[in-house]
Amino acid sequence: AQSVTQLGSHVSVSEGALVLLRCNYSSSVPPYLFWYVQYPNQGLQLLLKYTSAATLVKGINGFEAEFKKSETSFHLTKPSAHMSDAAEYFCAVSVNFGNEKLTFGTGTRLTIIP
Amino acid sequence: DTEVTQTPKHLVMGMTNKKSLKCEQHMGHRAMYWYKQKAKKPPELMFVYSYEKLSINESVPSRFSPECPNSSLLNLHLHALQPEDSALYLCASSPSQGVGYGYTFGSGTRLTVV
Repeated sequence: AQSVTQLGSHVSVSEGALVLLRCNYSSSVPPYLFWYVQYPNQGLQLLLKYTSAATLVKGINGFEAEFKKSETSFHLTKPSAHMSDAAEYFCAVSVNFGNEKLTFGTGTRLTIIP
Repeated sequence: DTEVTQTPKHLVMGMTNKKSLKCEQHMGHRAMYWYKQKAKKPPELMFVYSYEKLSINESVPSRFSPECPNSSLLNLHLHALQPEDSALYLCASSPSQGVGYGYTFGSGTRLTVV
């Protein structure tokens, strides 16, 4: 079965600093990988996804992620944090193997320090 | 229309009540999903409908009963719930089940069982 592990349940960065949220995956077949953001009392919004095309994926709001097969990683980055980036971020994985379903990591709460 | 609409946004129900959650999308998506999210936890998959047929049931208790009347609508019927069922219930849709589509999520129904 596929799974993702998010390292760090809480990450704090200063406004304008680099944002790095870590995600490692486990899958016996090539995975599809996703990053979602959730603001308080709201649903989830897709930031970006990897589906075996380019390994560097650009998403909305200035975020990007790089798929590294050798490290089984899909870390999310943003060069300069903004106050509006404060939210919960979920990494997720699915595989095209029978009945596909999306499985989420435990989430990382990002806090931006003014 | 690029949204998934969930109603109601908030629901308080007693343990003997019967209520329904509604989800609607007009993006032509043929896969729809129900997720349950407890506070500070990732979403957990409950049900998947693909082309109006139940595709995945993640061993959810029978007090939760899904229904997909047509390709745009997904309902979740609730009966005899327990206080531990209090959570945010999220509906999502995707063009089809499989091949790495990202899901579009609604903003959820916040359910409180008293």
